[in-house]
Amino acid sequence: RKEVEQDPGPFNVPEGATVAFNCTYSNSASQSFFWYRQDCRKEPKLLMSVYSSGNEDGRFTAQLNRASQYISLLIRDSKLSDSATYLCVVMGSNYQLIWGAGTKLIIKP
Amino acid sequence: DAMVIQNPRYQVTQFGKPVTLSCSQTLNHNVMYWYQQKSSQAPKLLFHYYDKDFNNEADTPDNFQSRRPNTSFCFLDIRSPGLGDAAMYLCATSLAGRTGTQPQHFGDGTRLSIL
Repeated sequence: RKEVEQDPGPFNVPEGATVAFNCTYSNSASQSFFWYRQDCRKEPKLLMSVYSSGNEDGRFTAQLNRASQYISLLIRDSKLSDSATYLCVVMGSNYQLIWGAGTKLIIKP
Repeated sequence: DAMVIQNPRYQVTQFGKPVTLSCSQTLNHNVMYWYQQKSSQAPKLLFHYYDKDFNNEADTPDNFQSRRPNTSFCFLDIRSPGLGDAAMYLCATSLAGRTGTQPQHFGDGTRLSIL
């Protein structure tokens, strides 16, 4: 089993729709969780950290379920500019970040 | 106001010819990372420095070495690049302390091509 697993997609979603990604992790001792966004041939950029109580940033909502060991990202009112690969990242031991393979999102007009 | 700067953006080298990629940061972060990313894959951690302490991933080939002469700079040396080493190389930094580790900040990456 991979340490961090994501559905690779692609998710083809019409503009304005709501889309949700899930990510599961295997190490129950993991403490920090992040969502990164990566555009084609560019470096990953931090989208948001994920906090235990869940957190929201504009159209983006992140949630953590420790019991089931998954995190989620919800995007509301999707825009064409949201098209990208979304990477789930979990902090392991020794300051190491463990990356999911990413979920590709394509927003269609 | 770039904070993590990688040079060069594009590097072309010959098979077997040593190459060095550089990374500098203005964030004064204590942790620096080197990742290799191939097409449609997640970044793969090669090694990281926590201050001066070097941490090599178990599956990082011996062909890859790193140097961190000071807080601001970190280098990736590929001693004898093979065709399989063609990839994007990403440098990242973060601030780690007693309260945990902050998210990583990435440079723009260096795209390495092998002829």
